[in-house]
Amino acid sequence: QKEVEQNSGPLSVPEGAIASLNCTYSDRVSQSFFWYRQYSGKSPELIMSIYSNGDKEDGRFTAQLNKASQYVSLLIRDSQPSDSATYLCAAPMIKAAGNKLTFGGGTRVLVKP
Amino acid sequence: DTGVSQDPRHKITKRGQNVTFRCDPISEHNRLYWYRQTLGQGPEFLTYFQNEAQLEKSRLLSDRFSAERPKGSFSTLEIQRTEQGDSAMYLCASREGGEAYGYTFGSGTRLTVV
Repeated sequence: QKEVEQNSGPLSVPEGAIASLNCTYSDRVSQSFFWYRQYSGKSPELIMSIYSNGDKEDGRFTAQLNKASQYVSLLIRDSQPSDSATYLCAAPMIKAAGNKLTFGGGTRVLVKP
Repeated sequence: DTGVSQDPRHKITKRGQNVTFRCDPISEHNRLYWYRQTLGQGPEFLTYFQNEAQLEKSRLLSDRFSAERPKGSFSTLEIQRTEQGDSAMYLCASREGGEAYGYTFGSGTRLTVV
């Protein structure tokens, strides 16, 4: 089992719809989780972090965390063509030096006008 | 300080040549990480520094790879005797603290080995 797993996609959504991205992780001890957005040819950009069970909203983004199920998700409301990118889920590996982040393979999102 | 800087942005080299990349982290961040990313994959961990100490190296980091962070400021990643399989984006990230903090990535160095 990979430490952080995501569906690779592509996830195709019409403009204005909700994009729903999922991520599962293996380290039960992890307490914080991060979503990064990466445009083609660019480096990852941090867009959301979540530490507690439940929902966290920031603008059109909502992150959801369920530690019992080891599951974290990202919702993008009112999707725009500019949201077309790869979204990376990351979790710290607590047993590793520096609590390094382990990344999933990313979910590619395509928002169609 | 505007963020994490990486240099060069792009590097094309012939197989067998040595290359060196530089990363300047955010000045207040004592933790520095190097990752490698190939097309369609997530970033893979290479190595981690806390201040000047290299505290972890991935098994992905063969003996052709070496990294330094003298004086705990900028870091360099050197690849000796490059191979075509080394072609990737090399990402540097820094972090303010521990688990609760995300990374700030630099723009990356795109390496192409021909």
